[in-house]
Parts: sequence; structure tokens; C-alpha cells
Amino acid sequence: GENVEQHPSTLSVQEGDSAVIKCTYSDSASNYFPWYKQELGKRPQLIIDIRSNVGEKKDQRIAVTLNKTAKHFSLHITETQPEDSAVYFCAQRGGSNYKLTFGKGTLLTVNP
Amino acid sequence: DAGVIQSPRHEVTEMGQEVTLRCKPISGHDYLFWYRQTMMRGLELLIYFNNNVPIDDSGMPEDRFSAKMPNASFSTLKIQPSEPRDSAVYFCASSFGDTRGYTFGSGTRLTVV
Repeated sequence: GENVEQHPSTLSVQEGDSAVIKCTYSDSASNYFPWYKQELGKRPQLIIDIRSNVGEKKDQRIAVTLNKTAKHFSLHITETQPEDSAVYFCAQRGGSNYKLTFGKGTLLTVNP
Repeated sequence: DAGVIQSPRHEVTEMGQEVTLRCKPISGHDYLFWYRQTMMRGLELLIYFNNNVPIDDSGMPEDRFSAKMPNASFSTLKIQPSEPRDSAVYFCASSFGDTRGYTFGSGTRLTVV
């Protein structure tokens, strides 16, 4: 199957703290795992992605880790800022097609 | 590049009317996807095209929904007849092969009353 479970559904942190969002998937052939950020009333935008041959990827304050054995991947945001407040979606692409299956999203609130 | 362009941005229609949503993908992208977003169901894939050919339409809710891609720069999603439960934000997205994730359009917010 191509299900993606995302946790937590809501996350509230203080400015400067770290935030971690986790996703698990079921398709062992999945090979691509992007993360999207969606601000209220706007389009989802790609913020970072990782392929199945890589365990970790960083881009400034955000990082993604992948554990293929356990079939889970996580988004880490360090030194959070109020502008990080948004809904974050994980997604995965199976090995046999090009479509992305999305998690249900995590509403991140960074309190000043 | 102007990105993925969708029209209209907002659409309010009465139940039973035909609705047509439009999408222009990024030039050179060979994949086009239609998604529907609701609070209850999140982002659901309706259909996707590769080189203008429909590849997977298993997410299309029922026969009232149809999608076409007559050329590489234009796609439509049509709902006929529309129902209140079709109210959602409809996103179009495009990509070039499997090199990166999708680029989404700004979406069409559809309200069926």
C-alpha cells in the first residue's frame, strides 16, 4: 500500500526551540520523500526532500532523516521562528509510479 | 517562469451547475497532477498525466469528474453536475520526471451552494 501516517497533527513550541515531525510509510519500494510547507490560504511549497539512498539531509535550520528499515522519516526544524508557523506535509513516492501520497499534515505553531 | 497557473482562484456555483477548473503547468514539465484538499481528507490525488496521457485516475471520485490534457501547456478538471460535497480547494501541480517534488499552483477554491 501507499499509506503515510504523520504525527503529531498539531505541535506548539516556543520560539527558539526545536520541532520534530514524524511520518511512517508502508511501501518498502518508496524511493522519494519530500516535505512541504503550507501557509494559511497558500499553496504547498517544497522545503526539503530526501531519496532512499540517503540517510540524512540538511538545509540551514531544517533537516530530514530517513530510516528505511523502520520505514519512517522525520523533519527537524531547529531555532524555530514565528514565520515557521504553518502546516507541514510529508509525502512519499512509491517505486512503481510518480504520484506522491501525502500525510494528513501537522499544524506547527511557534509562539514568540 | 511564472510557475503553475490555475484559474479561476475562486469559484462559487450552485448545485447542479457545471464547473471547469484550468491549469497551465510549468513549461517543460512532463507530469501534471490534480489534487483536492479538504480539512477532513487532506490532499487527495485525483488524476495525473504524463506527456498529456492520463496515467492514473483511480482517485477521481465518480463519473461527475473528468479531466483532460489536450496539449502540454493546458489541462482542465470538470465537474458536472456539481454538488455541495465537491466544495474544496483544487490544486494542480507539475513536475519534470522524478528529479524533484511537485510545484503546486495557487489552487482554485470551489464553493458549491
